[in-house]
Amino acid sequence: EVQLVESGGGLVQPGGSLRLSCAASGFTLSSYAMNWVRQTPGKGLEWVSVLSGGGGTTDYADSVKGRFTISRDNSKNTLYLQMNSLRAEDTAVYYCAKLDDYDYYFEYWGQGALVTVSS
Amino acid sequence: QPVLTQSPSASASLGASVKLTCTLSSGHSSYAIAWHQQQPEKGPRYLMRVDSDGSHTKGDGIPDRFSGSSSGADRYLTISSLQSVDEADYYCQTWGTGIYVFGTGTKVTVL
Repeated sequence: EVQLVESGGGLVQPGGSLRLSCAASGFTLSSYAMNWVRQTPGKGLEWVSVLSGGGGTTDYADSVKGRFTISRDNSKNTLYLQMNSLRAEDTAVYYCAKLDDYDYYFEYWGQGALVTVSS
Repeated sequence: QPVLTQSPSASASLGASVKLTCTLSSGHSSYAIAWHQQQPEKGPRYLMRVDSDGSHTKGDGIPDRFSGSSSGADRYLTISSLQSVDEADYYCQTWGTGIYVFGTGTKVTVL
């Protein structure tokens, strides 16, 4: 059974940093494209970043490019999102999500981690 | 890039059916989409992929009450025999070169 469990959310001041983790089970994380998707009350669901399977190509939404970094630890079967220079508009629930075999749609989702950026 | 349009809300009585619509923007009417369900206080759950020819591929354990169909630029999700657990937000999602796009969601209320 595929499971994705996020952790690391919390309250951080503007300009601060936070690292989210997503522990995967039931499959080998490095073999699939993995993503972070966030949800805010005002803007709904927004794709944030992708890390491809295999070689590990990355891509980011323009809103986080240069500030966020996606990575993985194959030995721990865990996905990460390093978030730097955080802004109030980054406040959201962040979901880890696994793409299907063809990288088209989000086949499995985690339960989410709340990040609040506020002074 | 594709844009997905959904109605904000829909409602139907317990045991009845409801049909949700996701409309693809001009020039993208051949795109497939995916439907995701989000129950209150939970993460989204993949329901199915719906292709332009109306064929659909469901996720693991999705009941037969959920079905998908297509017409032109519209992709549909029909929920039959509505149950209280079906009260949730429903999002459509599509994909392009290097991007993933979501609709704004439809909130389904079971009366």
